Amino acid sequence: EVHLVESGGGLVKPGGSLRLSCGASGFIFSSYSMNWVRQAPGKGLEWVSSISSTSDYIYYADSVKGRFTISRDNAKNSLYLQMNSLRAEDTAVYFCARESKGNYYFDYWGQGTLVTVSS
Amino acid sequence: SYELTQPPSVSVSPGQTARITCSGDALPKKYAYWYQQKSGQAPVLVIYEDSKRPSGIPERFSGSSSGTVATLTISGAQVEDEADYYCYSTDSSGNYRVFGGGTKLTV
Repeated sequence: EVHLVESGGGLVKPGGSLRLSCGASGFIFSSYSMNWVRQAPGKGLEWVSSISSTSDYIYYADSVKGRFTISRDNAKNSLYLQMNSLRAEDTAVYFCARESKGNYYFDYWGQGTLVTVSS
Repeated sequence: SYELTQPPSVSVSPGQTARITCSGDALPKKYAYWYQQKSGQAPVLVIYEDSKRPSGIPERFSGSSSGTVATLTISGAQVEDEADYYCYSTDSSGNYRVFGGGTKLTV
């Protein structure tokens, strides 16, 4: 069974940094593109970033470009999101999501980790 | 940046048909997908590739796409279908993923 478990969320001050992790199990992690999606409190879903299976292709939403860095370690079955220069508007639940093979939709999601940016 | 536009809310009585639209310039070339999200839960895929239904999704859920508009239809909506629904697709390059703003369905 596919499992995605996010960790690393918490309270951070504006301008600060945080690193999120997503541990994957139940599938061959190195064969799938992975993504981060976030949801601000009471708001809609927002795609944040994607990374291909071998890290060759990486994309970011305009709202985080230059501040966030996505990465993965296929040997550890783990996905990461390094978040720098955090702003209040980055406050959200962050989900990691597996991208369906041969397509671009998300077929499995974690339960999310909450990031709160506040002084 | 690319956007998908949905109505903020749709309301129907139980047993009626609910239709939620999603408009985007790249939809003639890119598939639309639909996610259902209930409060506090991760999203669940209810329609993929415009009109296909994943296993386990009730037959009352269907999808279609014509030109720049994709539509999610729930025929005979049930109280348990109350949720937020999001369309999802990519821009014309296929590199940038995007969600619609979401539609709150009240049954």
